[in-house]
Amino acid sequence: EAQVTQNPRYLITVTGKKLTVTCSQNMNHEYMSWYRQDPGLGLRQIYYSMNVEVTDKGDVPEGYKVSRKEKRNFPLILESPSPNQTSLYFCASSRTGGGGGYTFGSGTRLTVV
Amino acid sequence: GNSVTQMEGPVTLSEEAFLTINCTYTATGYPSLFWYVQYPGEGLQLLLKATKADDKGSNKVFEATYRKETTSFHLEKGSVQASDSAVYFCALSKTSYDKVIFGPGTSLSVIP
Repeated sequence: EAQVTQNPRYLITVTGKKLTVTCSQNMNHEYMSWYRQDPGLGLRQIYYSMNVEVTDKGDVPEGYKVSRKEKRNFPLILESPSPNQTSLYFCASSRTGGGGGYTFGSGTRLTVV
Repeated sequence: GNSVTQMEGPVTLSEEAFLTINCTYTATGYPSLFWYVQYPGEGLQLLLKATKADDKGSNKVFEATYRKETTSFHLEKGSVQASDSAVYFCALSKTSYDKVIFGPGTSLSVIP
């Protein structure tokens, strides 16, 4: 089944403790992206990657890192999480970019206390 | 800049009612337009898309027509069911390689 898999689904952590949210797709898509979803602010892009070893900032990249060492994986790294990063995070992929339509993961609900 | 505006709701309908969710966009040229749906506890799913003016995006039960003259892409369904209860997002992408810009989402609740 074609899918984007994120882990974990739920995570509660403490301020300053480094964490990684994993994202993997099995569709051989070139493009991958991370969004966060917040009430009243909608979906905002954090980072994206057009291909292996090519990443770029989205609209809200502060406090996040990403890497794209393999085509299928695009982990989101929070080096020193803060409470304002409490959010629902989605990984998405597509063949080229947004124009083809995204396939989304099921989401990761992160709480930073 | 590029943006998407849609009615925020919540919208509450009875089963078998006709659904319209309005969406207008701001962008130069001819962006691709999308509707995504998010069911409770899940990620967004692509519902339909249209890539040029007068295109009708459809997935057999939902439809939306790309209207360049009114910069609109309203979502319609002839007869809603309780299982259609979800949040619906209108979105655009300037080119194949650009990111997707989402509207704020419209929450739909269908009462049996």
